[in-house]
Amino acid sequence: QVQLVQSGAEMKQPGSSVRVSCKTSGGSFTSYTFSWVRQAPGQGLEWMGRIIPVINKMYYAQKFQGRVKFTADRSTSTVYMEMTTLKSDDTAVYYCALAYNMGFSPWGQGTRVTVSS
Amino acid sequence: SNVLTQPPSVSVDPGQTAKIACGGNNVGSEDVYWYQQKLGQAPVLVVYDDTDRPPGIPERFSGSKSGNTATLTIRGVEVGDEADYFCQVWESQTDHGIFGGGTKLTVL
Repeated sequence: QVQLVQSGAEMKQPGSSVRVSCKTSGGSFTSYTFSWVRQAPGQGLEWMGRIIPVINKMYYAQKFQGRVKFTADRSTSTVYMEMTTLKSDDTAVYYCALAYNMGFSPWGQGTRVTVSS
Repeated sequence: SNVLTQPPSVSVDPGQTAKIACGGNNVGSEDVYWYQQKLGQAPVLVVYDDTDRPPGIPERFSGSKSGNTATLTIRGVEVGDEADYFCQVWESQTDHGIFGGGTKLTVL
């Protein structure tokens, strides 16, 4: 049973960057496609993009192009999401999730990122 | 991109049947996925490919689709089913994931 464990909560200043990690335990890391989804406080789910580590391909939602970068470390079965030039409306819980057909399952526990001066 | 529309809230009594709709132009042509998100927790997939249940999801949860509207049905609703429910499709035109706005299920 594959599990995704994410890094802890972050408090950031506007204009700074954040990196969130998502470590896989169980299963075959190189066979997975990972998506990143965020949820602003009291809001719905927003798909940010996906990474396919085995072919080192990344795809980004247009809204996040140029400001978000996904990377993968096969040696630790971990994927990362880095977001730059943070703004207050980037305050959200960020989730990683595995592709399940064209859906997402399982999900990581989420990482709360707070952007505030 | 297309939009998935869900009612903001649905209320039912325990033991009754809850139906949550998800409408959109691409619902009829794409597989629909449903997620349950309890307060403070990560989403959990409860229906995939319109009608199938992942392992461990009770048979009380079922999905259906007619035209451009998908429906999540929860039979014999329990207090523990109180949660936000989101629909989702993979939009093949843009190769992006799209979520509905979510429906808050209240068990009276």
